[in-house]
Amino acid sequence: SYELTQPPSVSVSPGQTARITCSGDALPKQYAYWYQQKPGQAPVLVIYKDSERPSGIPERFSGSSSGTTVTLTISGVQAEDEADYYCQSADSSGTRVFGGGTKLTVL
Amino acid sequence: QVQLVQSGAEVKKPGASVKVSCKASGYTFTSYDINWVRQATGQGLEWMGWMNPNSGNTGYAQKFQGRVTMTRNTSISTAYMELSSLRSEDTAVYYCARTGFPYYGDAFDIWGQGTMVTVSS
Repeated sequence: SYELTQPPSVSVSPGQTARITCSGDALPKQYAYWYQQKPGQAPVLVIYKDSERPSGIPERFSGSSSGTTVTLTISGVQAEDEADYYCQSADSSGTRVFGGGTKLTVL
Repeated sequence: QVQLVQSGAEVKKPGASVKVSCKASGYTFTSYDINWVRQATGQGLEWMGWMNPNSGNTGYAQKFQGRVTMTRNTSISTAYMELSSLRSEDTAVYYCARTGFPYYGDAFDIWGQGTMVTVSS
C-alpha cells in the first residue's frame, strides 16, 4: 500500500524556521495537503494543493514541492504553533493516505 | 457558518456494530463529498473512505472493505458511518470531514468535532 513518510518529531526555538518533510512516490503526480492538530482538537487544513494557504491561516505557513518530497515551512515559529502536523495525498486509484505525523515542539 | 456536527460518544462490545452520524449545515450538503477518518489514542490519522451525498456512491479503504458502510439522508443533511464486527483495535475517535473540491482540491477543509468509540467487553 502507498505510504507517506514524515519525521516523527521536529524541534525549534521561537522565532526560528521549522521545516517538516513528507516523502512519497506519487507526490510528483498528486497534490499534497497539510493539517495541524492540537491536543483534543480536530485537524485544521493549513496548506492545500502543495503550496496554497487557506484564508485565516497565518502567512508564516508555506508549502513547497520538489520531486517525491513536499515540505511544510513555518517561518518565525510561535509557541502556539506547537502541534502535530500531518501530510495527506492520494495514490493513483484515489485512495487517500496520511503521513504518520510530525510532532512540532517549540523549545 | 459551515460546520459538521457529529453524534456523541459510544461504548460497544466486541462483535457489535456502531453507527456515527455527521450533520452538515451552512452549505449545500449534496455538493461536497464526505470522508471518514479515525484516530486511535496517541496515533495518527487513518482514512476510512468517502461518500458522495448526491449520488450515494462510496469508496472504502481496502482495510475496511466488508466492515464499513457509509450512507446519507439528504432530507436532513446527515451522513452516517457504520462499522461492524467491532474489535478492541477499533477504539478511536472517528471524524467526518468534507472534501473541499474543487477550490481546495482533495483537501479536507471542514471537520466534525469527532466521536469517541470505545470497544470493550
